[in-house]
Amino acid sequence: EPEVTQTPSHQVTQMGQEVILRCVPISNHLYFYWYRQILGQKVEFLVSFYNNEISEKSEIFDDQFSVERPDGSNFTLKIRSTKLEDSAMYFCASREDFGANVLTFGAGSRLTVL
Amino acid sequence: AQSVTQLGSHVSVSEGALVLLRCNYSSSVPPYLFWYVQYPNQGLQLLLKYTSAATLVKGINGFEAEFKKSETSFHLTKPSAHMSDAAEYFCAVSVGTGANNLFFGTGTRLTVIP
Repeated sequence: EPEVTQTPSHQVTQMGQEVILRCVPISNHLYFYWYRQILGQKVEFLVSFYNNEISEKSEIFDDQFSVERPDGSNFTLKIRSTKLEDSAMYFCASREDFGANVLTFGAGSRLTVL
Repeated sequence: AQSVTQLGSHVSVSEGALVLLRCNYSSSVPPYLFWYVQYPNQGLQLLLKYTSAATLVKGINGFEAEFKKSETSFHLTKPSAHMSDAAEYFCAVSVGTGANNLFFGTGTRLTVIP
């Protein structure tokens, strides 16, 4: 069964450091997403990406965040200068071009900011 | 705006007992509704989806959910709980085939007591 893979599974970083979370979506999928889940809270939409550009982003996705798909395979989320409140589980997801919005999620990357 | 509310952050059932996880949605247009399950240290896995076809939807692992427009509900049920059902369950809503993202509930942690 095709799956979305994410690395690293867990990263610990110091406040103010840059972090890059990586995702390999399912190969024939065209829409890519990042969500996050702060411990004990709901899963929140961050950003969606299609045709090499951001198609939608939430209020959470401020100037500290960026996404790119540098090589047609990896889909990355960069946090430029991490804050304590960025500590969360970050989920990557992808979906095909058609169908009722069924997103396939990765296992997540847990980010801990100290 | 669309949203979902999951009643009960924790539900405990005995092995073999009925599982009922509640989800109510809010949407100004006909929604697509989803249940996702998250096993420990794993990603979000799609259990089932409602996409305006049959109101009773059957999913994987013996789960099913019924869309009730009059009650704005999409509760998840399973006749007989198994130990392997212990996980976090998330209800989510999306609007329209072109809608770009999912809105998640806060999740319900299911514990199965032997």
